[in-house]
Amino acid sequence: DTEVTQTPKHLVMGMTNKKSLKCEQHMGHRAMYWYKQKAKKPPELMFVYSYEKLSINESVPSRFSPECPNSSLLNLHLHALQPEDSALYLCASSYRGSPLHFGNGTRLTVT
Amino acid sequence: TQLLEQSPQFLSIQEGENLTVYCNSSSVFSSLQWYRQEPGEGPVLLVTVVTGGEVKKLKRLTFQFGDARKDSSLHITAAQTGDTGLYLCAGPSYDKVIFGPGTSLSVIP
Repeated sequence: DTEVTQTPKHLVMGMTNKKSLKCEQHMGHRAMYWYKQKAKKPPELMFVYSYEKLSINESVPSRFSPECPNSSLLNLHLHALQPEDSALYLCASSYRGSPLHFGNGTRLTVT
Repeated sequence: TQLLEQSPQFLSIQEGENLTVYCNSSSVFSSLQWYRQEPGEGPVLLVTVVTGGEVKKLKRLTFQFGDARKDSSLHITAAQTGDTGLYLCAGPSYDKVIFGPGTSLSVIP
């Protein structure tokens, strides 16, 4: 069982919908990440939160909006997505400078 | 900019064969990590190598970190169908972790 929990596992949304992805960890990690992954490709970094503050935004389009309500939770709000945004969205956490602990991801399909 | 390259990118072998996957960079890394990602799951850390020349073993998997800390290899002995997955090398770069392009391994029964 993964120690990083992501919900939902699967999500299908239309281009005009608003939805949110959720991520939770209770390992005391103070760095949390969102990655986007296409099939058989490496994860691409989207956002990094460090001590609940956004520290890295990899020039992600504004239709993706991250939020870190507390040290255990990370959300990704989605609005007006495009079909090319369909991918596996992975959440990860770590102690600073340590290896990443990934969740099992949300498989997103934009129709 | 630090980059990691991996070879091969795709590998299909029969059960019982041996294989080696390579991870290379022109930059020095303080450490390198290897992750395995099975279909439908997130990547899982296999090992972190820290010292140049270091060799670590995890059952049938042997990991080596190059003396100059610019490269690493993963050797699998007697591959099993359960080894099928995407193998990613990764290294720390400032506040980020950068990933190689991955090696997609398929072990055929």
